[in-house]
Amino acid sequence: DQQVKQNSPSLSVQEGRISILNCDYTNSMFDYFLWYKKYPAEGPTFLISISSIKDKNEDGRFTVFLNKSAKHLSLHIVPSQPGDSAVYFCAASALWNQGGKLIFGQGTELSVKP
Amino acid sequence: GAVVSQHPSWVICKSGTSVKIECRSLDFQATTMFWYRQFPKQSLMLMATSNEGSKATYEQGVEKDKFLINHASLTLSTLTVTSAHPEDSSFYICSAGVADPGSGQYFGPGTRLTVT
Repeated sequence: DQQVKQNSPSLSVQEGRISILNCDYTNSMFDYFLWYKKYPAEGPTFLISISSIKDKNEDGRFTVFLNKSAKHLSLHIVPSQPGDSAVYFCAASALWNQGGKLIFGQGTELSVKP
Repeated sequence: GAVVSQHPSWVICKSGTSVKIECRSLDFQATTMFWYRQFPKQSLMLMATSNEGSKATYEQGVEKDKFLINHASLTLSTLTVTSAHPEDSSFYICSAGVADPGSGQYFGPGTRLTVT
C-alpha cells in the first residue's frame, strides 16, 4: 500500500519558468509533509516542510501548498534554475508513529534546461 | 546544521560475508536513527527504526536476523548485513531524527554496497 505517491517520474522545465511537483497521500493522520532533494549516490537534502494545520509555506524560491481535502501537496520552484535539476522526494510523517518515521514517495526527476 | 556521517561510503564484498555500516551524528545526539535502502531509480524504503539502548523496530518484510541494527550510543548506530547476497546490493542511507518535526530528519551521505 503506497501511502505517499508521486505519479510523475520526471519533469522537464525551462530555466526561469515555474516547476510544479505533485504528491498525493492516503493517510489523513500525517502531521508533517516534507520535500527532499536528492542527487545520485548522495543522501537526501531537506528543502521545505509544511505542517498539516497549514495550507502554504514559503521559503525563498520554494513554496509548498497543502490541500488536505484532496490529500494533495505540491512544491513550486520559481524561478527554476539548472542547479535545481535533481530527484525530488515528497515524504510524510506522523509523530505518533515511531517518532516520526518518514514515508517517501517514488520521486520525481526534475530537469531544468538552460 | 546537523551533520550525519556514514562509513564506509562504498563497499564491495563477497557473497556469504558480513558487512557493517556505521552511522554517526557528528554534532548532536540522536535518540532515534532510521535506516533506509534505495534501489536504482526507486524510492527510499524504510528498513528499521533504531532507538538508543533498545531493540530496533523493523518494517514489515525486513529480516531482522539478516540486517542487524545496533544503537549503542546517542551518536552511533550500526547496520550489519549478514551473509550478504548479490540481491542485498543497494544504496543504504541512515538518518537521525531531530526534535523539530518540521525539519524532518538529517540524512547521511549513504553507503553503496555491492555484493559479488
